[in-house]
Amino acid sequence: GESVGLHLPTLSVQEGDNSIINCAYSNSASDYFIWYKQESGKGPQFIIDIRSNMDKRQGQRVTVLLNKTVKHLSLQIAATQPGDSAVYFCAEKGETGANSKLTFGKGITLSVRP
Amino acid sequence: EPEVTQTPSHQVTQMGQEVILRCVPISNHLYFYWYRQILGQKVEFLVSFYNNEISEKSEIFDDQFSVERPDGSNFTLKIRSTKLEDSAMYFCASREQGPGEQYFGPGTRLTVT
Repeated sequence: GESVGLHLPTLSVQEGDNSIINCAYSNSASDYFIWYKQESGKGPQFIIDIRSNMDKRQGQRVTVLLNKTVKHLSLQIAATQPGDSAVYFCAEKGETGANSKLTFGKGITLSVRP
Repeated sequence: EPEVTQTPSHQVTQMGQEVILRCVPISNHLYFYWYRQILGQKVEFLVSFYNNEISEKSEIFDDQFSVERPDGSNFTLKIRSTKLEDSAMYFCASREQGPGEQYFGPGTRLTVT
């Protein structure tokens, strides 16, 4: 069956270092991918998205890379800050019509060491 | 910045009781969703709603669940007879017309005892 999953359950990085969070997906029909951040006690917060016709997209301090050949998605956070500590989820959406549910992967906890 | 709001933040109920979780989506949004997250697990899709009807629902969303948009601002999730395994965080989300991100509310923690 289709699935979206993350490679590692936790990631600990030094403040100021770059973080890379990886995600594998299995549904080759997915055309839209999103990274969400979830802080304790809060709902998922949109970070960045990418469509399947792109392989890279940059935001403020964040970059998402999409490799459709190996069905791999990654989130890069530059100069990681304590406020980046949270659980990160990748999610995919199969189409842009009314059937637009998000399928989430298992979260990975990012812990930033001061 | 507009945001999705949810009430209550925490609901405790006894098994077999009915609960209604309330959401106020962002005002110009047209697509509405409910998701749930069991403690320590991933976020799971429950149902999507558009044009006053359900667009899609998951296997979780059985006959015990229902959704309603009773007026122009609220979007509710009702669980008719709660079970212990319904204990979870329930998130409402909304998005505007066309492709785009879903905005999530802060969630309601449902505890069934």
